[in-house]
Amino acid sequence: NAGVTQTPKFQVLKTGQSMTLQCAQDMNHNSMYWYRQDPGMGLRLIYYSASEGTTDKGEVPNGYNVSRLNKREFSLRLESAAPSQTSVYFCASSQTSGRAVGQQFFGPGTRLTVL
Amino acid sequence: RKEVEQDPGPFNVPEGATVAFNCTYSNSASQSFFWYRQDCRKEPKLLMSVYSSGNEDGRFTAQLNRASQYISLLIRDSKLSDSATYLCVVTSYSSASKIIFGSGTRLSIRP
Repeated sequence: NAGVTQTPKFQVLKTGQSMTLQCAQDMNHNSMYWYRQDPGMGLRLIYYSASEGTTDKGEVPNGYNVSRLNKREFSLRLESAAPSQTSVYFCASSQTSGRAVGQQFFGPGTRLTVL
Repeated sequence: RKEVEQDPGPFNVPEGATVAFNCTYSNSASQSFFWYRQDCRKEPKLLMSVYSSGNEDGRFTAQLNRASQYISLLIRDSKLSDSATYLCVVTSYSSASKIIFGSGTRLSIRP
């Protein structure tokens, strides 16, 4: 099994450009998440989807949109990239109930630089 | 005050040593606790859950102290391959948005 896959692995954008980060999981998990990780800040939740058809804001949603395309796929879109969005983006998935929420499986990450 | 705090380290210890680090959390309603490991430029991976009674997994022991609101991770007989950043995670069952990752403690094992 591939687990959680993300594309692309690296991306450089100019300020104002848009892009979509793709994420897919093959573990039949209900919940999926998007995080960003900045030096010294830890992982911060951008958006999550507790189940197919639902999405909710996390700690830092401004400047991002998401789509839960089906149970497997959860995409993150930057409509107008800003230098403050330079970061490493991780997608994760988990089962939904109880303790399983904290037992997350992560993709390899996308390293995004906005110039 | 951050909701989850960790000493960023780095902890630099010789191979074979025992090392321990703590993570404090501020929300007394937190319900589940975990340790993740993250290698340089890689994704985080679940190391172990932390249960109220404490639990072991080989050389790793995790403890929870609800009264003082901290969790700990003890690594015995440390190996070079244990060099990584260790993240603590605190969650509540009620909402996925209450998953909080600590900033991590960096551990370096020297030969």
